[in-house]
Amino acid sequence: KAGVTQTPRYLIKTRGQQVTLSCSPISGHRSVSWYQQTPGQGLQFLFEYFSETQRNKGNFPGRFSGRQFSNSRSEMNVSTLELGDSALYLCASSGNGLAGNEQFFGPGTRLTVL
Amino acid sequence: AQSVTQPDIHITVSEGASLELRCNYSYGATPYLFWYVQSPGQGLQLLLKYFSGDTLVQGIKGFEAEFKRSQSSFNLRKPSVHWSDAAEYFCAVGALIQGAQKLVFGQGTRLTINP
Repeated sequence: KAGVTQTPRYLIKTRGQQVTLSCSPISGHRSVSWYQQTPGQGLQFLFEYFSETQRNKGNFPGRFSGRQFSNSRSEMNVSTLELGDSALYLCASSGNGLAGNEQFFGPGTRLTVL
Repeated sequence: AQSVTQPDIHITVSEGASLELRCNYSYGATPYLFWYVQSPGQGLQLLLKYFSGDTLVQGIKGFEAEFKRSQSSFNLRKPSVHWSDAAEYFCAVGALIQGAQKLVFGQGTRLTINP
């Protein structure tokens, strides 16, 4: 079974631009979560989607948004990029995202904002 | 609010020595606890998890962890480390929000292995 894939793996943008990151979950998984990883803040939860609906959202500004498609693939978008958005963005999938379900992580997308 | 504390930012041990990584959590209900490992440039891989039952759980790569409710701890151990264990280790609690699970992570402990 193929793992979680994320594209692109690396991205360089400038302040003010927007960016879209993609995540393909493990086949059959319907829950996709996104996390931001930075040296200062560590791993922080962004949001979680299940069956094309956002169920949970972390404490991030509205510039961070996401969506999920009918095939469970998910995208996250960051508009009006700031220097502080430079981070590793990790996507995780699980069967249904319920309590105790293991989340399988992708390799991440490294975003650098100049 | 849920929180996880990993008191040790960086630990160095010699190859073949024993290892214990500390984790303390704060969560109002019965916790779902996880340990993940992250190698450089990689995503996170699950080492082990605790939901209920036996408080000593076995994971992959020879790791184990013990849940101690009285101390709100879930420490990770390995009797003899290998150079390939050098990585960053994250403890996490699974918080239930609106019926779905959100992982709250500790700050991580970076493990260096001396040959």
